Amino acid sequence: RKEVEQDPGPFNVPEGATVAFNCTYSNSASQSFFWYRQDCRKEPKLLMSVYSSGNEDGRFTAQLNRASQYISLLIRDSKLSDSATYLCVVNAGFQKLVFGTGTRLLVSP
Amino acid sequence: DTAVSQTPKYLVTQMGNDKSIKCEQNLGHDTMYWYKQDSKKFLKIMFSYNNKELIINETVPNRFSPKSPDKAHLNLHINSLELGDSAVYFCASSRRDAYTSNYGYTFGSGTRLTVV
Repeated sequence: RKEVEQDPGPFNVPEGATVAFNCTYSNSASQSFFWYRQDCRKEPKLLMSVYSSGNEDGRFTAQLNRASQYISLLIRDSKLSDSATYLCVVNAGFQKLVFGTGTRLLVSP
Repeated sequence: DTAVSQTPKYLVTQMGNDKSIKCEQNLGHDTMYWYKQDSKKFLKIMFSYNNKELIINETVPNRFSPKSPDKAHLNLHINSLELGDSAVYFCASSRRDAYTSNYGYTFGSGTRLTVV
């Protein structure tokens, strides 16, 4: 089983839609969780951390279910500029972050 | 001000050559990393240094040798380049407690290596 698994997509949605991505991880001892965004031919950039109680940053909501080892990212009111690959990231031991292969999102007019 | 800068941005070289990629961060972070992103876009950690000390060394061929002259720099030297080394190499840095904190990593813009 991969350490971090994501649906690769692509998810094709119209502007204004709500879209959700899911991610599962295998290491039950993981303590830190993140969503990164990577644009084509660019470096990954931190989108948001994921807290146990769930957290929101504008149109983005992240949730963590430790019992099921599951992380989600919800994007409301999608914008064209949200088109990117979203990477689920989990810590896998001392100072080591493991990246999922990413979910590609395409927002169309 | 670029937080994590790596050079060169593009590198095209022949099989068998030796090349280096340089990375510098001005964030005052204690820890630096090298990640490799292959053609399938999978990002995999190669090395991690904390205050010039190697702390993570994944199963990377020993043709790859990281060097950290100080905590702001982490260079990657690759000997006897092979076709399979073609990828994008990302340098990153973080605070020491990134694995338990919510700060994550800051990445450089990547070096696209093509071995021909």
